[in-house]
Amino acid sequence: DTGVSQNPRHKITKRGQNVTFRCDPISEHNRLYWYRQTLGQGPEFLTYFQNEAQLEKSRLLSDRFSAERPKGSFSTLEIQRTEQGDSAMYLCASSLEPSDGNQPQHFGDGTRLSIL
Amino acid sequence: KQEVTQIPAALSVPEGENLVLNCSFTDSAIYNLQWFRQDPGKGLTSLLLIQSSQREQTSGRLNASLDKSSGRSTLYIAASQPGDSATYLCAVRLRMDSSYKLIFGSGTRLLVRP
Repeated sequence: DTGVSQNPRHKITKRGQNVTFRCDPISEHNRLYWYRQTLGQGPEFLTYFQNEAQLEKSRLLSDRFSAERPKGSFSTLEIQRTEQGDSAMYLCASSLEPSDGNQPQHFGDGTRLSIL
Repeated sequence: KQEVTQIPAALSVPEGENLVLNCSFTDSAIYNLQWFRQDPGKGLTSLLLIQSSQREQTSGRLNASLDKSSGRSTLYIAASQPGDSATYLCAVRLRMDSSYKLIFGSGTRLLVRP
């Protein structure tokens, strides 16, 4: 169990550029979640995958955001035409979910995005 | 809409003190409540998960309690140490939400002074 891995750890880019983050979940975990955390706040849900299917997207996820999880393994989160308000920590979490919903989510160290 | 509130927002205590962090939530129909620790610039480390049918969970110097009917949870840290300094977040998972997404409070920033 190597934990949830996120890359890059930090990303600094100019406003208007596109960025892509990667998350490698714990192997065999069927659920993968993306959250966004701004300074002084708790994480907020963005979207999640059950295997390769994206089953829910928050209204926080504007049409500039897209996420994929090909083959149900790693996931990518892309932000197009970045804006100042996109500056945040983007956290990925994974879990192994049977039907009772009582499995903990395991988080990666996040990708900190700074928009200049 | 589920809201999760953590009080206090920040806490500074001398080393060795026992302390209590509070978490409240508005919708009592939860699957479970989870306490996390977050160090500056890092991700979240899960500390304790309390299922809705449970009243408390313990791990080392940490004890978390859950009173679902009143919408409250507390995290008790015994004999605090400087290494406990971090932000502590609580999060709930709603029973009627099949996504099992977590709804977080804003956290309590803890500083344990040597």
